[in-house]
Amino acid sequence: DVKVTQSSRYLVKRTGEKVFLECVQDMDHENMFWYRQDPGLGLRLIYFSYDVKMKEKGDIPEGYSVSREKKERFSLILESASTNQTSMYLCASSSGQGSPYEQYFGPGTRLTVT
Amino acid sequence: GENVEQHPSTLSVQEGDSAVIKCTYSDSASNYFPWYKQELGKRPQLIIDIRSNVGEKKDQRIAVTLNKTAKHFSLHITETQPEDSAVYFCAASKGSYSGAGSYQLTFGKGTKLSVIP
Repeated sequence: DVKVTQSSRYLVKRTGEKVFLECVQDMDHENMFWYRQDPGLGLRLIYFSYDVKMKEKGDIPEGYSVSREKKERFSLILESASTNQTSMYLCASSSGQGSPYEQYFGPGTRLTVT
Repeated sequence: GENVEQHPSTLSVQEGDSAVIKCTYSDSASNYFPWYKQELGKRPQLIIDIRSNVGEKKDQRIAVTLNKTAKHFSLHITETQPEDSAVYFCAASKGSYSGAGSYQLTFGKGTKLSVIP
């Protein structure tokens, strides 16, 4: 059974702080993704990674960076948090083989920036 | 890049009735179309998917149809039950044609389905 976990369910940070969101998957998946979910806007891709140390920009990368030093862990970094980054952040992973397309999501981190 | 439009944004049906959610996509190279269900406070989960070489797929009360010519696909839920109430997302992917990042999904904005008992 695939398990994707995220470091926090709820997080409150102040404007200008550096914020780290971590995601860990236990199924040896090659691909990992970070989305933000906002009401009426659906799931928007921030960054994704298809291999260790590899990363690709998604649709809304501005203000974010990522790190993937180990296959099972994918971190999202907000270099200087702003109020417009208040959102639900979802991590997902998928295999690069077999049925590579199904994405397994983590429980989400609700980030509030004040 | 790919653009996925989803309609309606909200849908209310009486228990036992059918529900239909429609999506259109822009990139004719897209070849994989999944549907995810997100119950309140929970993570999205895949409920059904279809590939471009198939026109229709059914799994119990859920079916998905694909019209490649028109570039649209639909989710059909029959005999709706209160537990079908959730937000449903459609998505599209170009699969292996796009190389690195080929498993990237582009999501629609979601449909909130309410099934009234």
